[in-house]
Amino acid sequence: NAGVTQTPKFQVLKTGQSMTLQCAQDMNHEYMSWYRQDPGMGLRLIHYSVGAGITDQGEVPNGYNVSRSTTEDFPLRLLSAAPSQTSVYFCASSDLRGGLAGYNEQFFGPGTRLTVL
Amino acid sequence: RKEVEQDPGPFNVPEGATVAFNCTYSNSASQSFFWYRQDCRKEPKLLMSVYSSGNEDGRFTAQLNRASQYISLLIRDSKLSDSATYLCVVTSTGGFKTIFGAGTRLFVKA
Repeated sequence: NAGVTQTPKFQVLKTGQSMTLQCAQDMNHEYMSWYRQDPGMGLRLIHYSVGAGITDQGEVPNGYNVSRSTTEDFPLRLLSAAPSQTSVYFCASSDLRGGLAGYNEQFFGPGTRLTVL
Repeated sequence: RKEVEQDPGPFNVPEGATVAFNCTYSNSASQSFFWYRQDCRKEPKLLMSVYSSGNEDGRFTAQLNRASQYISLLIRDSKLSDSATYLCVVTSTGGFKTIFGAGTRLFVKA
């Protein structure tokens, strides 16, 4: 199993550009989520999904869109990149067996390091 | 006030030392608690869950105090390989929104 994979590993954008960060998992997990990590801030939840076709906002959703058409994939779209979106982005997944997602271990991808100039 | 607060450190300890980290959370309705470990420029990985009764995994012991709203992590007989950032994680009622603390950095020196 590859676990959780993310592409690209690094990306540089200009202000106003759009792009999609890819995330895929092969563990058949229902729950998937996106976080951003900034120095001194910890990981902050952007969006999450509890299954195909179901998404919801986290703590910092503005400027980001998500969709979940399959169990495996959960892409994050930046609509119009801003310097404030310079960060490290982590995708994570978790199964829902035995209770709600928050009660189970989250498996993280290796991250995407994004710089917006 | 942040929902989950940790002392950022760094904690600098010699090999073999015992070190303890605390984490406080503000939402009294929080349901689940975890410690994750993050190595430099890597993804977080689960270290251990934290239960009301406390739990131990080898050299690591985690405790939860719901009345005072804090969780703790104790590391005994520190190893060089324990050097990392330790993240306190709290899940809200409903189970889908997870809040991470900013992390506590630990350096273990020979």
